[in-house]
Amino acid sequence: AQTVTQSQPEMSVQEAETVTLSCTYDTSESDYYLFWYKQPPSRQMILVIRQEAYKQQNATENRFSVNFQKAAKSFSLKISDSQLGDAAMYFCASSRAGTYKYIFGTGTRLKVLA
Amino acid sequence: ETGVTQSPTHLIKTRGQQVTLRCSSQSGHNTVSWYQQALGQGPQFIFQYYREEENGRGNFPPRFSGLQFPNYSSELNVNALELDDSALYLCASSLGALPPGNTIYFGEGSWLTVV
Repeated sequence: AQTVTQSQPEMSVQEAETVTLSCTYDTSESDYYLFWYKQPPSRQMILVIRQEAYKQQNATENRFSVNFQKAAKSFSLKISDSQLGDAAMYFCASSRAGTYKYIFGTGTRLKVLA
Repeated sequence: ETGVTQSPTHLIKTRGQQVTLRCSSQSGHNTVSWYQQALGQGPQFIFQYYREEENGRGNFPPRFSGLQFPNYSSELNVNALELDDSALYLCASSLGALPPGNTIYFGEGSWLTVV
């Protein structure tokens, strides 16, 4: 069975600084995907970044990047130049390739301080 | 905006009642999945519909059922509501039964409170 663990219930970062959110996962699958989703107060889950497990290169999307350590089953999210609009719940998720069944962690609440 | 819309936004039901939640998927998307997100938790997969047939289910009892219509919109029905059913219900849509990149697009959810 797949599991996703986010050990940081809450994080704070100063505006314009960098913050890293942690995620570990466990899966017996060889082909899977990892995701970070952002959930602002509007409740809509917004895809931040996606990583294919077979790709060694870490995914990046503008100010967002991941540190994917496959052997350690670690998938952390780095947010650079943090902005007030980045404040939200962040969820790490995994899914086996070819399915839509996502396994989510419990989330990390990110606060951005002005 | 993902183009996935859900209704109603909020509703309150009494224990034992039945509820129907609705989802209109993004244009062209033929797969819909439903998730339950309890307060302070991550979403949990309920089930998935592809071309009007259920083709994947999570660990939820049979009183959670669904439908997908020819226009790919979907309903989630919950019978015999229990207090623990109080949660945010999220709908997500995507294209294809075997998704490229496994990416799904979420709506804003329906808040259900059972009293």
